[in-house]
Amino acid sequence: DTGVSQDPRHKITKRGQNVTFRCDPISEHNRLYWYRQTLGQGPEFLTYFQNEAQLEKSRLLSDRFSAERPKGSFSTLEIQRTEQGDSAMYLCASSPGPWGQGVQETQYFGPGTRLLVL
Amino acid sequence: AQSVSQHNHHVILSEAASLELGCNYSYGGTVNLFWYVQYPGQHLQLLLKYFSGDPLVKGIKGFEAEFIKSKFSFNLRKPSVQWSDTAEYFCAVNARYNFNKFYFGSGTKLNVKP
Repeated sequence: DTGVSQDPRHKITKRGQNVTFRCDPISEHNRLYWYRQTLGQGPEFLTYFQNEAQLEKSRLLSDRFSAERPKGSFSTLEIQRTEQGDSAMYLCASSPGPWGQGVQETQYFGPGTRLLVL
Repeated sequence: AQSVSQHNHHVILSEAASLELGCNYSYGGTVNLFWYVQYPGQHLQLLLKYFSGDPLVKGIKGFEAEFIKSKFSFNLRKPSVQWSDTAEYFCAVNARYNFNKFYFGSGTKLNVKP
């Protein structure tokens, strides 16, 4: 178990540019989550995958945001035409995934990618 | 929608003092409850969790939390803090019917003075 990894750890970009972040979950974890955390706030849910299927998206995820998990392993989060308001820490988490209702779900977080849009 | 409130944004304690951090959530159904900790420069780590059973949950590093259903609360406690407990603490909730989505509080920064 090597933990959840994210790349890059830091990204500085100019407004209007596109950026892409990668998340590698704990192996054999079939659920993967993306969160955004701004200064002074807790993580806010963005989207989640069960294997390769994106099953839920927050209203926070505007049309400029897209996430993929093509083979059910790593995931990418792309932000197009970045805005200064996109500056935040982007967190990825994974969990083993329940196989029924009411299963005890625990998420394991990566170190995050800190984005600064100038 | 669910929400989580952590009323203490910044707590400063001396070593050996007792700690209690408040967490209240708004949701009428069955929930799972978590405390995560983020040490300086590190990622979020699970401190403890409650799913069912004994409402007093013990976690790592001497932390415990008590689920009081009638008060919609899940307060974190530690009898005697150490300098190494300096960190930010986040309470989180998810609902049994929609356990995919976690709701986090805004966090409490704990500063323990040696």
